[in-house]
Amino acid sequence: DTGVSQDPRHKITKRGQNVTFRCDPISEHNRLYWYRQTLGQGPEFLTYFQNEAQLEKSRLLSDRFSAERPKGSFSTLEIQRTEQGDSAMYLCASTEQWDSVNEKLFFGSGTQLSVL
Amino acid sequence: AQKVTQAQTEISVVEKEDVTLDCVYETRDTTYYLFWYKQPPSGELVFLIRRNSFDEQNEISGRYSWNFQKSTSSFNFTITASQVVDSAVYFCALSEEGAQKLVFGQGTRLTINP
Repeated sequence: DTGVSQDPRHKITKRGQNVTFRCDPISEHNRLYWYRQTLGQGPEFLTYFQNEAQLEKSRLLSDRFSAERPKGSFSTLEIQRTEQGDSAMYLCASTEQWDSVNEKLFFGSGTQLSVL
Repeated sequence: AQKVTQAQTEISVVEKEDVTLDCVYETRDTTYYLFWYKQPPSGELVFLIRRNSFDEQNEISGRYSWNFQKSTSSFNFTITASQVVDSAVYFCALSEEGAQKLVFGQGTRLTINP
């Protein structure tokens, strides 16, 4: 069990560029989440997948954000036309619970995005 | 609406002292779940405990203990005989029944000095 893996760990980009992050959950976990964490704050929910289906998106997820989990395994989070306000740590988490989030989540170490 | 408040932004103590991290929550649901997560400098959040709203029994796990009081909507976390390795940011979180997300507090940065 290698845990939740996120790539890259750090990403520096210029305003207006597109960026894509990848998350590899724990292999038997069917549920995958994306959270965003800004400095000095707790993580905020962005979206989650049950297998390949994206079942909920937060209002924080503007049209510039898109997430996919094409085969129900790894997931990608793309931000188009990045803005300085997008600078944050993007966290991925997974769990094997089927019907509720009320079990513990396993988090990756996150991707730290800096938009210049 | 759900809300979690951790009023203590930063706490600094000397090793072996006991320390309590406060958590106050708001929810209109009668069924909900409370969590504590630890975020060490490496960044990944680590699950510590889950409590459901019907179980007010306090829990102890080694040097860690949790005090859940529905009357005051609090779920406080105490570390006894703190150690330097306990230094981290600690988050309290809430999830309502059927909700598919955790709502986190702002976190408390705990520093244990040798």
